[in-house]
Amino acid sequence: KAGVTQTPRYLIKTRGQQVTLSCSPISGHRSVSWYQQTPGQGLQFLFEYFSETQRNKGNFPGRFSGRQFSNSRSEMNVSTLELGDSALYLCASSDEGGANYGYTFGSGTRLTVV
Amino acid sequence: AQSVTQPDIHITVSEGASLELRCNYSYGATPYLFWYVQSPGQGLQLLLKYFSGDTLVQGIKGFEAEFKRSQSSFNLRKPSVHWSDAAEYFCAVPSGGYQKVTFGTGTKLQVIP
Repeated sequence: KAGVTQTPRYLIKTRGQQVTLSCSPISGHRSVSWYQQTPGQGLQFLFEYFSETQRNKGNFPGRFSGRQFSNSRSEMNVSTLELGDSALYLCASSDEGGANYGYTFGSGTRLTVV
Repeated sequence: AQSVTQPDIHITVSEGASLELRCNYSYGATPYLFWYVQSPGQGLQLLLKYFSGDTLVQGIKGFEAEFKRSQSSFNLRKPSVHWSDAAEYFCAVPSGGYQKVTFGTGTKLQVIP
């Protein structure tokens, strides 16, 4: 079966702009989590959605938001981009057991803010 | 909160040599523990997971890990490393409920011929 699909793979944006990243989970998985990965901070949890509801949120400013659709696809949005938002954004899907049973990750979206 | 520590930032081994990557966890009860691998420019792939029961866990790609409660450790091992194993390895533990995972800082593995 198809894996986790993230689009686009690469993005270059200017400070102050906004960006939307997309994630399609493995078929049948209803939980989608988002992580930010940077060399300085490592992997940091952004948020998790299950059946269109946000169940958990990390310590990120309100500029970071997300949503999940009825087909489990998820999007995350970052508004008013800052240079520090440059990172690899990873989407992970899991079944109803959630993160306890392990994630399947997408290849990520590499966001560069200039 | 649950956390994991990976004391080695970078490890270099020769191809064919054995490998052990260290992970220490901080949690009172028996934790769920994971090892993930990330190749350059890619997402993470789950290597293996520990829930309970047998303390020696077998994973994919010939990796195994041993849970040692007395040492609060969950070290990853492989008897003979291949050049394709060069990657970054992350130990992880669920935290803040079951919807969130805390990752270690990662150990970058270099394999030399």
